[in-house]
Amino acid sequence: QQQVKQSPQSLIVQKGGISIINCAYENTAFDYFPWYQQFPGKGPALLIAIRPDVSEKKEGRFTISFNKSAKQFSLHIMDSQPGDSATYFCAATQGGGNKLTFGTGTQLKVEL
Amino acid sequence: KAGVTQTPRYLIKTRGQQVTLSCSPISGHRSVSWYQQTPGQGLQFLFEYFSETQRNKGNFPGRFSGRQFSNSRSEMNVSTLELGDSALYLCASSLGAGTTNEKLFFGSGTQLSVL
Repeated sequence: QQQVKQSPQSLIVQKGGISIINCAYENTAFDYFPWYQQFPGKGPALLIAIRPDVSEKKEGRFTISFNKSAKQFSLHIMDSQPGDSATYFCAATQGGGNKLTFGTGTQLKVEL
Repeated sequence: KAGVTQTPRYLIKTRGQQVTLSCSPISGHRSVSWYQQTPGQGLQFLFEYFSETQRNKGNFPGRFSGRQFSNSRSEMNVSTLELGDSALYLCASSLGAGTTNEKLFFGSGTQLSVL
């Protein structure tokens, strides 16, 4: 059962551009929404996360926008760099613990 | 501080065999979770252990099992391997406080190939 839908599947952005990845969820009990970055041969690493009582969270070049009524959230990468080329996963969980439901992933390539 | 360590890094087995994967969490972390990653199904939660007790379980058949030792190290076992079990198995650890925004740290995984 796919409870977190992620798009696009792949994304090519020019260096300095803005990368935008979108996710939508169905379970209104979800109360924590992290984004993970994964490089080839490595496990996912937490990038940034948000709770549903906040509409936006920014950490450096990374921003999460959250729309509770639409049950959607998105990751914006400003000033995208070649080093940002990786696979990005949105995720959601509820009530504590580490049972994350992941989106299907977005493969980002930042070109020079 | 050492990260999450998973062994072995690669493993090749044949159908019907069983396999045991090992995970050493970050020092001081008491929660260990396991995930399966495949190109088709993505990242799927297997189970979580805290203080040697299974705290949560995903939707996998009983062939998938795990355990946690008193030093927080964890193992997962897959019995009667099937071709579809070929995947990257990821272990993740956290402090284990059970709070919603607890940071999860992943290892690099064990790549299992079933022939």
